[in-house]
Amino acid sequence: DGGITQSPKYLFRKEGQNVTLSCEQNLNHDAMYWYRQDPGQGLRLIYYSQIVNDFQKGDIAEGYSVSREKKESFPLTVTSAQKNPTAFYLCASSERQGDTEAFFGQGTRLTVV
Amino acid sequence: EDKVVQSPLSLVVHEGDTVTLNCSYEVTNFRSLLWYKQEKKAPTFLFMLTSSGIEKKSGRLSSILDKKELSSILNITATQTGDSAIYLCAVCRDDKIIFGKGTRLHILP
Repeated sequence: DGGITQSPKYLFRKEGQNVTLSCEQNLNHDAMYWYRQDPGQGLRLIYYSQIVNDFQKGDIAEGYSVSREKKESFPLTVTSAQKNPTAFYLCASSERQGDTEAFFGQGTRLTVV
Repeated sequence: EDKVVQSPLSLVVHEGDTVTLNCSYEVTNFRSLLWYKQEKKAPTFLFMLTSSGIEKKSGRLSSILDKKELSSILNITATQTGDSAIYLCAVCRDDKIIFGKGTRLHILP
């Protein structure tokens, strides 16, 4: 089945550790996105990528990093510089920028302990 | 700065009522407007709107875009408890998708 897979579903991190969230899609989509969702905040854009080996910062990129070495994969690293990383993280992809809807993965809930 | 504003942020109604959710935007390089329903985890796609005045309909849900007013509405008629969810509005630019904060809708039986 085609879709977007995020892993893990739940992740616990100690303060000061870096963690990487996985996002893989087999929809052959060019564009991929990472959003963070906090209660009452909607979805806030962290990073986005339109093509392989290219990505741009979103509205809340500080403390995060990404890579786009393959079309199918867009991993997000939450670094120790992110002061409040506990949140629900959603990855999405779309066929083309602006002309088609985005499809979402099931999300990763990150908790700092 | 681009922004997408949804109202109300929260709404509680009784089963059978009709609701109207609002979305207004100030976004450069507008391409389309999207509506999603989020129940637990992944938002699910409802509508994509690109042209003003053309209503999109799916069962009890409908939506329309007004490019002159930079806004869109999502209507749900004869609401059911299964309609309880967060409804997200998003605007596509030519490079990224910007979401509003969502409307949390709760339907009382």
